[in-house]
Amino acid sequence: DAKTTQPPSMDCAEGRAANLPCNHSTISGNEYVYWYRQIHSQGPQYIIHGLKNNETNEMASLIITEDRKSSTLILPHATLRDTAVYYCAPSGNTPLVFGKGTRLSVIA
Amino acid sequence: DSGVTQTPKHLITATGQRVTLRCSPRSGDLSVYWYQQSLDQGLQFLIHYYNGEERAKGNILERFSAQQFPDLHSELNLSSLELGDSALYFCASSEHGTPDGTEAFFGQGTRLTVV
Repeated sequence: DAKTTQPPSMDCAEGRAANLPCNHSTISGNEYVYWYRQIHSQGPQYIIHGLKNNETNEMASLIITEDRKSSTLILPHATLRDTAVYYCAPSGNTPLVFGKGTRLSVIA
Repeated sequence: DSGVTQTPKHLITATGQRVTLRCSPRSGDLSVYWYQQSLDQGLQFLIHYYNGEERAKGNILERFSAQQFPDLHSELNLSSLELGDSALYFCASSEHGTPDGTEAFFGQGTRLTVV
């Protein structure tokens, strides 16, 4: 399984874009990059995933570097409800393994 | 609502006891995953079942066991409970046997407190 490195915490002003980085330099060629978030002690919520190309959905955008060794999750207009712990988790044919994630605090 | 149902939501029990946590996956999902989250710890993968068969094991203690039934619901059995087993236990389900480009959906968890 690819190991991940994420900053332990980040702050973002409400209404601004939140850019959350993840380093996954040992990712394998067949592993997708998944992003989840966990609000308080709720069940983790799926956000987005990608293999090589950048992806966008109604929640976020995912930018994956060309060498696939890192990625950035972008929340374009952060709201207070986006305050959560964000996890990136590379996974191919194995179950998702989560690191410690980034605690994002959105500030009014 | 993810469509994954976990019961009970809360459970308080004494050391040395045995409990069973239940998970009903989303309709049509064949895979069930169990995770443990202790205070100040990340999500630890425990075990994965696909269509009734064990597919992968993570950091699951020998005192813990799981199974997936023909109707695809799953149970996690925790025995000889210790104070350190107090944690949130999450179940997730996905359509296929591997994540492999499909997302997994998590339930709201069972909070186990061992006293």
